[in-house]
Amino acid sequence: KAGVTQTPRYLIKTRGQQVTLSCSPISGHRSVSWYQQTPGQGLQFLFEYFSETQRNKGNFPGRFSGRQFSNSRSEMNVSTLELGDSALYLCASSSPSYNEQFFGPGTRLTVL
Amino acid sequence: AQSVAQPEDQVNVAEGNPLTVKCTYSVSGNPYLFWYVQYPNRGLQFLLKYITGDNLVKGSYGFEAEFNKSQTSFHLKKPSALVSDSALYFCAVQRGNKLVFGAGTILRVKS
Repeated sequence: KAGVTQTPRYLIKTRGQQVTLSCSPISGHRSVSWYQQTPGQGLQFLFEYFSETQRNKGNFPGRFSGRQFSNSRSEMNVSTLELGDSALYLCASSSPSYNEQFFGPGTRLTVL
Repeated sequence: AQSVAQPEDQVNVAEGNPLTVKCTYSVSGNPYLFWYVQYPNRGLQFLLKYITGDNLVKGSYGFEAEFNKSQTSFHLKKPSALVSDSALYFCAVQRGNKLVFGAGTILRVKS
């Protein structure tokens, strides 16, 4: 069974631009969560989608948004990038019992 | 509020010695607790979880963790450390539909 895949793996943007990250969950998983990892703040929850609906959202500004498609693939978008948005963005998909999240390799975003 | 704390930023241990990475939790009700490991430039890899049942949970790669309700702890252990165990370890608690992570502990195993 293929794992969680994220594209692209690395991304360099400049302040003010916007970016879209993609996540394909494990086949059969309908829940997709996004996390931001930075040296200063650690791992922080961004949002979670289930069956194309956002079920939960973390404490991030409205510049951070996401969506989920009917095939459970998810995208997250960050508009008007700031230097502080530089981070590793991790996507995780959940098993049907929801007791375990499987993480992708992450997308390393650098904002210059 | 559900939260976990990892009191040590870094743990150093010699290869072959037992290792412990500490985690304490603060939750209301029965906690769902997890350990994940992260190698450089990689995502998080699931090690083990405690949902209910036996207090000693066995996981991947020879790791185990002991759930202690009276001490509100969920320490990660391994009887004999390997150099390849060197990585960043995260304890987490499930809060609703999300995981709340500790700050992480760097484990360094020296040969």
